[in-house]
Amino acid sequence: DIQMTQSPSSLSASVGDIVTITCRASQSINTFLGWYQQKPGKAPKLLIYAISTLQSGVPSRFSGSGSGTDFTLTISSLQPEDFATYYCQQSDSVPWTFGQGTNVEIK
Amino acid sequence: EVQLVESGGGLVQPGGSLRLSCAPSGFTFSTYWMAWVRQAPGKGLEWVANIKHDGSDKYYVDSVKGRFTISKDNAKNSLYLQMNSLRVEDTAVYFCARHGSRVFDQWGQGTLVTVSS
Repeated sequence: DIQMTQSPSSLSASVGDIVTITCRASQSINTFLGWYQQKPGKAPKLLIYAISTLQSGVPSRFSGSGSGTDFTLTISSLQPEDFATYYCQQSDSVPWTFGQGTNVEIK
Repeated sequence: EVQLVESGGGLVQPGGSLRLSCAPSGFTFSTYWMAWVRQAPGKGLEWVANIKHDGSDKYYVDSVKGRFTISKDNAKNSLYLQMNSLRVEDTAVYFCARHGSRVFDQWGQGTLVTVSS
């Protein structure tokens, strides 16, 4: 199975900050990497797929990058509605696996 | 507007069975892969199973193989997860998700399954 490791597990940031979350796969996953946002008590929401393609309706302050085994989600200017938990997910091979999550909290 | 509405969750004893359903709307269900993803209380996301658009291929996480069965009825516009031999560790919110572009691009609100004696 491909293991997905996110860092950090949690972070505190202020509105307007640049936030970067990294995700490392235990082996190459080609371009099959997605990022999700989840707020408490709600379903996850797809932000980015294929490493860097923004899902329709997602603000442009979200961006993704990386290749092979190392990937990054960047929020260019953190907004109040961005405080949530973020997950990466690979779909290169079964079982599809998620990172453990990164909780973005208000500083 | 795409919507996915799960139902069928509840409290069940260890060893029992439960059948989850998902009712999609707002898209052509018969052309999409679909999936079930679960989240144990306070934990992260875990993919459980997915099924090809025509039901011809199915995949499962190892921990549910032989116990859970995913199925898709395109005529009835419904997705199902039959869960047998339930264990305490299967306790989770189960989400129905549309599998597009090899990611889960639409999600239901989830249904809670509690396995406890």
